[in-house]
Amino acid sequence: NAGVTQTPKFQVLKTGQSMTLQCAQDMNHNSMYWYRQDPGMGLRLIYYSASEGTTDKGEVPNGYNVSRLNKREFSLRLESAAPSQTSVYFCASSQQEKSSTDTQYFGPGTRLTVL
Amino acid sequence: AQSVTQLDSQVPVFEEAPVELRCNYSSSVSVYLFWYVQYPNQGLQLLLKYLSGSTLVKGINGFEAEFNKSQTSFHLRKPSVHISDTAEYFCAVRTPGYSTLTFGKGTMLLVSP
Repeated sequence: NAGVTQTPKFQVLKTGQSMTLQCAQDMNHNSMYWYRQDPGMGLRLIYYSASEGTTDKGEVPNGYNVSRLNKREFSLRLESAAPSQTSVYFCASSQQEKSSTDTQYFGPGTRLTVL
Repeated sequence: AQSVTQLDSQVPVFEEAPVELRCNYSSSVSVYLFWYVQYPNQGLQLLLKYLSGSTLVKGINGFEAEFNKSQTSFHLRKPSVHISDTAEYFCAVRTPGYSTLTFGKGTMLLVSP
């Protein structure tokens, strides 16, 4: 099993450009998440999807959109990139939303720079 | 609302010395607690978690953590660190009935020879 995979690994954008970050998991998990990691800020939740067909905002959703394409895939879109969106983006998945034993598994990350 | 405070942004330590990484949380309800480790240029990996029961939790790579409800703490310890333990460590909490995690800002553990 590959676990959680993310593409691309690195990306450089100019201000105003758009792009989609892809995430896929092969663990048959129901829930998926997008985080951003900034120096000294820890990880902050952007959006999550408790199950296929549902999405909810996290702590920092502004400037982003998401699509839960199917059970395996959860994409993050930047419609008009801004320098403030320069960050490392992590996708995660977990088996059962709200279950007491639920554990999130993380992908390797996408390092995005917006010039 | 809940929050997590990791008091130290960096902890330098010599190889084979003991280490404690501190984590305090704030929540009006009971929580589940987690420690994740992030090695350079990698994603996060679960070290250990506290859900209920024994307050001393053992994880991978020789790490353990103790849940202290009265002090709202979940400090991570290792009796003897290796160079390979150099990484960033994140404490996180989750409220039962909710799926999302709240992370602390992280502590960088720097192990030198």
